[in-house]
Amino acid sequence: SAVISQKPSRDICQRGTSLTIQCQVDSQVTMMFWYRQQPGQSLTLIATANQGSEATYESGFVIDKFPISRPNLTFSTLTVSNMSPEDSSIYLCSVSEGVNQPQHFGDGTRLSIL
Amino acid sequence: SQKIEQNSEALNIQEGKTATLTCNYTNYSPAYLQWYRQDPGRGPVFLLLIRENEKEKRKERLKVTFDTTLKQSLFHITASQPADSATYLCASPEDSWGKLQFGAGTQVVVTP
Repeated sequence: SAVISQKPSRDICQRGTSLTIQCQVDSQVTMMFWYRQQPGQSLTLIATANQGSEATYESGFVIDKFPISRPNLTFSTLTVSNMSPEDSSIYLCSVSEGVNQPQHFGDGTRLSIL
Repeated sequence: SQKIEQNSEALNIQEGKTATLTCNYTNYSPAYLQWYRQDPGRGPVFLLLIRENEKEKRKERLKVTFDTTLKQSLFHITASQPADSATYLCASPEDSWGKLQFGAGTQVVVTP
């Protein structure tokens, strides 16, 4: 199965700043997903990022706040813009090797905003 | 959209016993359900997928059932070991491409 690397693994940021999270996959994959997970809670999908098309955002998430790039089949970035303490969370990327296939996750980026 | 409900209370179990976790879905019957394991500080790891026309699926000491009448999937860990301690997540597809809706997960603690 695909191996996913996320960077950074954790960061502490000042409010009002932006952070870009990178997700690198060791093989070419079509579907890539970005999630947010609050401590002790489940995963909430932010957006689906497929190569060659604009990311599709879920209700409650907008491109201005969470711009996503997907330049090729092995890489994606998620930017958390103009951060506030409410953005403190774990951000995870996952990939799927095909339609209705299991997802494989990175270990996440633990983000704290002061 | 689909709502996935898992028992939020941690399941404490003695080593060697069988742990049984419940996943209930509220709306339409999904084409399949997936189960994942998540350890602290790590991303979820896929364990099993069971389709709606499959009554039961096994993988080593893990067994999953799917009951469309009860709108429920059960996840069993037989002969549990302390290394099985983790949070187990149930997920249902939200669309035909495989976008997933996750439950909140159930924490399992296996004591020696």
